[in-house]
Amino acid sequence: GDSVTQMEGPVTLSEEAFLTINCTYTATGYPSLFWYVQYPGEGLQLLLKATKADDKGSNKGFEATYRKETTSFHLEKGSVQVSDSAVYFCALGFSSGSARQLTFGSGTQLTVLP
Amino acid sequence: SAVISQKPSRDICQRGTSLTIQCQVDSQVTMMFWYRQQPGQSLTLIATANQGSEATYESGFVIDKFPISRPNLTFSTLTVSNMSPEDSSIYLCSVEGRTGELFFGEGSRLTVL
Repeated sequence: GDSVTQMEGPVTLSEEAFLTINCTYTATGYPSLFWYVQYPGEGLQLLLKATKADDKGSNKGFEATYRKETTSFHLEKGSVQVSDSAVYFCALGFSSGSARQLTFGSGTQLTVLP
Repeated sequence: SAVISQKPSRDICQRGTSLTIQCQVDSQVTMMFWYRQQPGQSLTLIATANQGSEATYESGFVIDKFPISRPNLTFSTLTVSNMSPEDSSIYLCSVEGRTGELFFGEGSRLTVL
């Protein structure tokens, strides 16, 4: 079945450091790929997405490129801030009839220190 | 984007009791999804709630334990029945956006003693 494998955390960085959170997937077909973020005490929010190979999703300084050849969707940010401290989830999805269901990775806890 | 409101935001319940979680969306949607996030874990889909028909449950989840109602296109409820400490989780309602992403409510954090 479909699955998403994320880099294990927790990850601790200093402010302004470079961030990479690895995500690889297994799927039959061509899914859409997503990164969600969960700030402390809050629900999940969509951070960025890519719907086909070589697409780059970006938002709030974060980027991820859909790499079909390596089945990856790594999340990057050039300079993290304390406010980026959160749990990050990689996910893939296919349409199922008229709606989409997502398969999530295990999540990566990021802590950014001032 | 969709605005999703869940109630309650958190609750502490006794073993053996049941709790109903409500989910209200600010627009009409065909399907609503209920997820569970156990402590320190990722999200697991419980069921898909269709308006006017029975919910579709994922493997490992049954209607007797997690009955779902979907009376109209903007509202759904999930009941966690006969609770045990293992049911302590965050329960999240979600809907699909126009371009395939899911929007989530803030979740209902349930603690069972």
